[in-house]
Amino acid sequence: QSVLTQPPSVSAAPGQRVTISCSGSSSNIGGNYVSWYQQLPGNAPKLLIYDNNERPSGIPDRFSGSKSGTSATLGITGLQTGDEADYFCGAWDSSLNVVAFGGGTKLTVL
Amino acid sequence: QLQLQESGPGLVKPSETLSLTCSVSGGSISSSSYHWGWIRQSPGRGLEWIGSLHYSGNTYYKPSLKSRVTISVDTSKNQFSLKLYSVSAADTAVYYCARHFMSVHNGSPNWFDPWGQGTLVTVSS
Repeated sequence: QSVLTQPPSVSAAPGQRVTISCSGSSSNIGGNYVSWYQQLPGNAPKLLIYDNNERPSGIPDRFSGSKSGTSATLGITGLQTGDEADYFCGAWDSSLNVVAFGGGTKLTVL
Repeated sequence: QLQLQESGPGLVKPSETLSLTCSVSGGSISSSSYHWGWIRQSPGRGLEWIGSLHYSGNTYYKPSLKSRVTISVDTSKNQFSLKLYSVSAADTAVYYCARHFMSVHNGSPNWFDPWGQGTLVTVSS
């Protein structure tokens, strides 16, 4: 059971917008900063968002992050078939003293 | 461009020690700005942070693994290493190394970037 909770799967059509939620508690998302990762099939995770809503250089602005209270959301607009991947959220948990990850969400672009 | 590469045996026997090395290229592991971490991924347990260290020697581990883990650094080789003792089948996973950033807001461990390609370690007799 992961410390951070994500839906197992989401789907949407090409060109549409999708959101992926990540739910936690005051000791992780509520009190620290959230990162998001994309894992394409057979690849290592790749950083998409850090510090709740910051994009690293090279990440298109189709990807966005937000946080409210003890939940965070990854948004992806203009969906492309190449966006099909697993997406993970992560945050430090100050009570457990661990880097916590969500269980991952599989995005299907129909 | 910073790159990380894991190396080590792909098969370890139960009760023995898993040893992996992460080689860092395109940047110095001795930078005071970064930490360096190990994360593993197994089908049944998703992503699991194992521990991280700073080149100065400061280390911190996932509490439930702390008694079985040592992460160390070799600045002369620009490498850091993972040792996991007394392994069992539950330790079978893809092991990743990554650069670990601390939050500029509150100093807590934060995001990982970039990640190595990962190496599969199977624990089996």
